[in-house]
Amino acid sequence: QSALTQPASVSGSPGQSITISCTGTSSDVGAYDSVSWYQQYPGKAPKLKIYDVSSRPSGISNRFSGSKSGNTASLTISGLQAEDEADYYCSSYTSSSILVFGTGTKVTVL
Amino acid sequence: QVQLQQSGPGLVKPSQTLSLTCAISGDSVSTNSAAWNWIRQSPSRGLEWLGRTYYRSMWYHDYALSVKSRITIKPDTSKNQFSLQLNSVTPEDTAVYYCARGVGSWYWGFEYWGQGTLVSVSS
Repeated sequence: QSALTQPASVSGSPGQSITISCTGTSSDVGAYDSVSWYQQYPGKAPKLKIYDVSSRPSGISNRFSGSKSGNTASLTISGLQAEDEADYYCSSYTSSSILVFGTGTKVTVL
Repeated sequence: QVQLQQSGPGLVKPSQTLSLTCAISGDSVSTNSAAWNWIRQSPSRGLEWLGRTYYRSMWYHDYALSVKSRITIKPDTSKNQFSLQLNSVTPEDTAVYYCARGVGSWYWGFEYWGQGTLVSVSS
């Protein structure tokens, strides 16, 4: 099972909105609504930001939103802040009954 | 508040068995509303889901195809914890290992994570 494809890096200025894509296939992202998004700082465990495509866990800012169209899921961060600078990963359930992660995206706040 | 505390050795010799434990507080390993997972991360392989265990009137296990022949995830209800055993390790199994609690419709969102354990496979 191949990893989901994410852009290596995305950048934006404070206050702007950015969108990170996560491209899979009709056997994973396109087939199931089990897409999640994680934020990870260096040396720390990932933190769940979005699950089930667009649901936010308790305590997660509504600046983070998720969506899906076909085989591509997206994470949008609005009102970009310095603290949003981190690595972001998507994940999806697959038809092979396993979970696959994305390649990761480094977000830089200019 | 759910907390996961990992324990286990940080160095394992090639061909031996990697064993880690994840102690749960604030929830029960036998709950019907979560799944308990092991995930690892390395520079070469990125984030990799290894497997999970969950209870729905009986115990179920799902394992990643890449490790299916070598992995066992076991719940321990007496200690409210679950464990990972990975047999016949090679240097490619060197990674930071995490345990995590899955939530969501099918429990694939990992809301709570352990602190991570760096496991090196080396003689």
